[in-house]
Amino acid sequence: SAVISQKPSRDICQRGTSLTIQCQVDSQVTMMFWYRQQPGQSLTLIATANQGSEATYESGFVIDKFPISRPNLTFSTLTVSNMSPEDSSIYLCSVEDGAWATYNEQFFGPGTRLTVL
Amino acid sequence: AQSVTQLDSQVPVFEEAPVELRCNYSSSVSVYLFWYVQYPNQGLQLLLKYLSGSTLVKGINGFEAEFNKSQTSFHLRKPSVHISDTAEYFCAVKGDTGNQFYFGTGTSLTVIP
Repeated sequence: SAVISQKPSRDICQRGTSLTIQCQVDSQVTMMFWYRQQPGQSLTLIATANQGSEATYESGFVIDKFPISRPNLTFSTLTVSNMSPEDSSIYLCSVEDGAWATYNEQFFGPGTRLTVL
Repeated sequence: AQSVTQLDSQVPVFEEAPVELRCNYSSSVSVYLFWYVQYPNQGLQLLLKYLSGSTLVKGINGFEAEFNKSQTSFHLRKPSVHISDTAEYFCAVKGDTGNQFYFGTGTSLTVIP
């Protein structure tokens, strides 16, 4: 199984600033995902990040607001730009492990708890 | 797109009592089903998964779930809960095409001493 770490674990930011969240995996993985979990709600997929290609964003999420980098097979960053209080959430990185044909589970990082004032 | 319904947002249960957390999904095509647990201030941890084979799946911490294709359900059960089982539980579905996981809204399990 994959072990995932995220930095920072939490942060409190001012409105209008940006925060970059880092996700590090202990093994090479093809697919990495970024989720948002707003207070009291379930997980919503923001985007899928594959190494060597542009991230694919889900409906309601745009690259200008949530730029993503995926420079190699073990690392990705998500930036939350021009933040507002509505961006206060837990941001989770996940990876899909296992052979493509077997659709194994997604492993999740511990999350980054963001509060925007 | 898939959808996942967790019918109970909150489930209080006394310690050592049995519990069932319900999950229904929308699609009748082949799916892969998962239950995740999220302890306070932590990330998600996989409890169990159904990919194929036996419809009764056993997971960690004494949990099990039964896949019922005709009822499109994947309910989670534990015969005797502990205080440490207090957490948020998420049911998730993935179709046989694409990579996206679809999560339910979660069930908050509170075990009462």
